[in-house]
Amino acid sequence: KQEVTQIPAALSVPEGENLVLNCSFTDSAIYNLQWFRQDPGKGLTSLLLIQSSQREQTSGRLNASLDKSSGRSTLYIAASQPGDSATYLCAVRSTGNQFYFGTGTSLTVIP
Amino acid sequence: EAQVTQNPRYLITVTGKKLTVTCSQNMNHEYMSWYRQDPGLGLRQIYYSMNVEVTDKGDVPEGYKVSRKEKRNFPLILESPSPNQTSLYFCASRQGGSNQPQHFGDGTRLSIL
Repeated sequence: KQEVTQIPAALSVPEGENLVLNCSFTDSAIYNLQWFRQDPGKGLTSLLLIQSSQREQTSGRLNASLDKSSGRSTLYIAASQPGDSATYLCAVRSTGNQFYFGTGTSLTVIP
Repeated sequence: EAQVTQNPRYLITVTGKKLTVTCSQNMNHEYMSWYRQDPGLGLRQIYYSMNVEVTDKGDVPEGYKVSRKEKRNFPLILESPSPNQTSLYFCASRQGGSNQPQHFGDGTRLSIL
């Protein structure tokens, strides 16, 4: 069974810093990996989806990478802002239609 | 506006009283799914549906039922709720195909006393 781990569980950085969030998974047989942000009391907002054949995806200040062979993905956030404060979740789609989520990294950006 | 709508958003009920959480999407998506989110355990998939009348179990299906009679709707049914089903529930949908992103509703916070 796929297991997804996100470390650290919480991260606090001053505004303007670049930061990296980590996601690891145990089974490399995946279709894709998706990064989400979750704000308190809200659902999940999709940030980036990386297909298994891709190495990275970029959207604005966000860059996600995927190393399938080592079971790792990173989400890079450039020039962090207080509005980036949220919980960030990664999810892998294993073969078939099942999805497995990590427990998230809670990010606080201090003004 | 493209969205996934869940109702109710909050529900407090008692053990054994049947309840249904509705989920509706307006994007004509083939795939829909239910998750529960618990502290320290993350989101876990309960059931999913590939299309009308096609459903399958996720990781934690025990105590839940689903149906997919129409493409836009995917209700989650708890026939005899128990306190261990107290959780935050999310519905999601996506277009068919291998690499389409999931879109999530705002969640239903369910408390079973």
